[in-house]
Amino acid sequence: DQQVKQNSPSLSVQEGRISILNCDYTNSMFDYFLWYKKYPAEGPTFLISISSIKDKNEDGRFTVFLNKSAKHLSLHIVPSQPGDSAVYFCAAARNYGGSQGNLIFGKGTKLSVKP
Amino acid sequence: DAMVIQNPRYQVTQFGKPVTLSCSQTLNHNVMYWYQQKSSQAPKLLFHYYDKDFNNEADTPDNFQSRRPNTSFCFLDIRSPGLGDAAMYLCATSRVQALRGEQYFGPGTRLTVT
Repeated sequence: DQQVKQNSPSLSVQEGRISILNCDYTNSMFDYFLWYKKYPAEGPTFLISISSIKDKNEDGRFTVFLNKSAKHLSLHIVPSQPGDSAVYFCAAARNYGGSQGNLIFGKGTKLSVKP
Repeated sequence: DAMVIQNPRYQVTQFGKPVTLSCSQTLNHNVMYWYQQKSSQAPKLLFHYYDKDFNNEADTPDNFQSRRPNTSFCFLDIRSPGLGDAAMYLCATSRVQALRGEQYFGPGTRLTVT
């Protein structure tokens, strides 16, 4: 059973507008969440993360929001640029007594930003 | 530039013929991971090495094995590939002391089984 779900396989947005990518999780033991970005023919690259003690983390045009009660997080990209077109993976990790737990990935959402 | 390198990028093997995929890193990271990603699916962790300590995921088939002869290199051996093993195989690294969860990925090796 999938513990990390990205229910939208694809998203299309106009350049300059906001992109919102969503992710849901089922395991309440997850306490750290990450977004990775993947271009074709390249490996995923780390984009932004958030700890469960926060509800928002911002880095330039990228903001991640965490709603623990709903077990939901979202990635906002404002303004969207054509170079943001990629597959975005949501991932979650669990704290095993202070040591790093392994990442559980979602299936990804393909974002297309149209000029 | 420091990086994670995977060779080959594309590998074709025959049903049942052993195949080895390789990964090398210039980041000097403690931890190396192998993931399997099938089409439109999430990357799935097969196993990881913390230095020389091997950690196998419970549901990783016995058909998959790994070797890490030194810090820089890690190999994925598929002893008897089946058609269901066709996938993208991603290698990743991380520093234990790094931002929790942040991993550096190679470009992947796409395996085809004929």
